[in-house]
Amino acid sequence: DAGVIQSPRHEVTEMGQEVTLRCKPISGHDYLFWYRQTMMRGLELLIYFNNNVPIDDSGMPEDRFSAKMPNASFSTLKIQPSEPRDSAVYFCASSPGQGVNGANVLTFGAGSRLTVL
Amino acid sequence: RKEVEQDPGPFNVPEGATVAFNCTYSNSASQSFFWYRQDCRKEPKLLMSVYSSGNEDGRFTAQLNRASQYISLLIRDSKLSDSATYLCVVRTYTGTASKLTFGTGTRLQVTL
Repeated sequence: DAGVIQSPRHEVTEMGQEVTLRCKPISGHDYLFWYRQTMMRGLELLIYFNNNVPIDDSGMPEDRFSAKMPNASFSTLKIQPSEPRDSAVYFCASSPGQGVNGANVLTFGAGSRLTVL
Repeated sequence: RKEVEQDPGPFNVPEGATVAFNCTYSNSASQSFFWYRQDCRKEPKLLMSVYSSGNEDGRFTAQLNRASQYISLLIRDSKLSDSATYLCVVRTYTGTASKLTFGTGTRLQVTL
């Protein structure tokens, strides 16, 4: 299995531009998560999906952020317009389930490092 | 108060030392606990789950104290390769949904 695939790995953009981050979860995983990581705030959950349906988007900072999961193998996180404070590493993760079984934990992608100038 | 709090670090220890990290969580309804490891500029990876009775995986021992709402990770005989950031993770169930909350991590640097 190739694991969770994210793209782009690095993005540098100017304030006001639209940014689209992409994620391909592990095949068969029903849950997909978007996290943001900064030095100051650590890993923050932005949104997660179950079977392509958004379940909890309370972590999405504001209306500039949106996420979609049109099918089981693809999700996007979009920031429009981007601001310098959005600079962070954005991780996508997937999970086969949410049981207490230790196997049902997150597998992260390598992350997308975003810099907004 | 943060939902999950960890020792600030960094911890600088010599190779072969024993080091322990603590983590406290605020939600008494939390049910599952994990330690993740994150290498510099890499993604977090599961190190081990934490079970109520405590559990060991080689040089690593995890303990859970539900009454005091803290989790610990003990690393014996530290190796240079143990240098990383260790993230405490707590899963809290709310109805049919659940949420994983990560601590900000404790950085460990093992030196010669």
